[in-house]
Amino acid sequence: DAKTTQPPSMDCAEGRAANLPCNHSTISGNEYVYWYRQIHSQGPQYIIHGLKNNETNEMASLIITEDRKSSTLILPHATLRDTAVYYCIVRAYFGNEKLTFGTGTRLTIIP
Amino acid sequence: KAGVTQTPRYLIKTRGQQVTLSCSPISGHRSVSWYQQTPGQGLQFLFEYFSETQRNKGNFPGRFSGRQFSNSRSEMNVSTLELGDSALYLCASSSGLAGSYEQYFGPGTRLTVT
Repeated sequence: DAKTTQPPSMDCAEGRAANLPCNHSTISGNEYVYWYRQIHSQGPQYIIHGLKNNETNEMASLIITEDRKSSTLILPHATLRDTAVYYCIVRAYFGNEKLTFGTGTRLTIIP
Repeated sequence: KAGVTQTPRYLIKTRGQQVTLSCSPISGHRSVSWYQQTPGQGLQFLFEYFSETQRNKGNFPGRFSGRQFSNSRSEMNVSTLELGDSALYLCASSSGLAGSYEQYFGPGTRLTVT
């Protein structure tokens, strides 16, 4: 019952920007977009979240379309250590609902 | 600040046995959530505890249970183990209810049921 759709896999050349898309066409007004990633055999790692404005932190940038029905996570200079499964999740900021992970995008950084 | 710790990291049990997994959240965090991850089903939510109370529960049978102590440490228990319970069990902590704050995950406990 994930609310998001992501491509199952993507490749990106090392040093280039990795752009990971996510569709969330049923997002409601009080729901944020969260991104996590999971490197093989480790627990998921929080990356970034946003509501409607674009957000940037030391790890990535998040671009949310004006209608909020889709977003893109940008890793500006991908390294081999960015190879992971990336999960896009939507949920209310003060909601009581559980965090629902979809199948994510397996990003492979090519040397 | 130390991260989320889980013990044990690896565990092998046989069908019918029971198992208890432990999670210590980041200091100051009051919410602990548990997830099961398998290759076929992906990452699935088990339950969330906040201030020693279960606040949310996923769609798992009653063989899966948990609790949280006054120091926010949490345990989950699986009774009458089945082969399908083999999975990576992840614990995540957050400073408030999981819906309000980002979650920080531990390394997981890999349970193998034979």
